[in-house]
Amino acid sequence: AQSVTQPDIHITVSEGASLELRCNYSYGATPYLFWYVQSPGQGLQLLLKYFSGDTLVQGIKGFEAEFKRSQSSFNLRKPSVHWSDAAEYFCAVASGGGADGLTFGKGTHLIIQP
Amino acid sequence: EAGVAQSPRYKIIEKRQSVAFWCNPISGHATLYWYQQILGQGPKLLIQFQNNGVVDDSQLPKDRFSAERLKGVDSTLKIQPAKLEDSAVYLCASSLRGVGYGYTFGSGTRLTVV
Repeated sequence: AQSVTQPDIHITVSEGASLELRCNYSYGATPYLFWYVQSPGQGLQLLLKYFSGDTLVQGIKGFEAEFKRSQSSFNLRKPSVHWSDAAEYFCAVASGGGADGLTFGKGTHLIIQP
Repeated sequence: EAGVAQSPRYKIIEKRQSVAFWCNPISGHATLYWYQQILGQGPKLLIQFQNNGVVDDSQLPKDRFSAERLKGVDSTLKIQPAKLEDSAVYLCASSLRGVGYGYTFGSGTRLTVV
C-alpha cells in the first residue's frame, strides 16, 4: 500500500526567508505526487503536481517541488515566504491504476514570524 | 466552470443518530471520491466511484457508513449510527477520468457528533 510521511508537524519561518517542507512517499511504481495547501476553514488548493518528465515542477504562488526517485522524496520549496503562506500543507500520492484516490500525509503546519 | 458542490456546510448531531451528506461533482466528471478529514490530520479516502460503480471502498467502515452514486452524477454519503469519532470534515472530490486529469475538491461538510 502507498503511504506518505511528512516528518515535520510544525515549521516556523521568518517572513522573507526560504522554505522547504519535506515529503517522503512509499509506492512501488512511478507515483503521481501532489502538494496541497489548506487555510483554516478553507478547502484544499492544489499547489503543484508531478506526473512524469522534468523532476523540478513549478506551481502557483511561487512554490516549486523536486521529485527525487532515489530518495523517494518530493520536497516543497519557496525562496521567500510571505505572511499569507501561513497554512497547513499536505503532500499526497496516487497510483496510476483504476483505484487512484489520493493518500495524504498528516500535514505540516507552517507558521510565519514577522 | 462550476466547482464541486457539497451540502450541508455544517451539521451537528447526537451520537447514534444518522446523517447524510450530498455531493454534486463537476459536470461530466466520471470519477468521484469521498474523504474524511479528522481535525489535525490529512484527508483519508473513504470511497471512489467510477460513474455509478464502486472502484475502491477498502477504507469505508461499512458497518455504519454507506455511499451511493445513482445515475453516475450526484452522490450521498450516509452514517448510521454516528459515533463521536466520526466528527470530521467530509470532502468530496471529482475528476474527469482519474488521476491524470487532476482532482477538484469541494469545500466539505463539517460534522460534529455530540
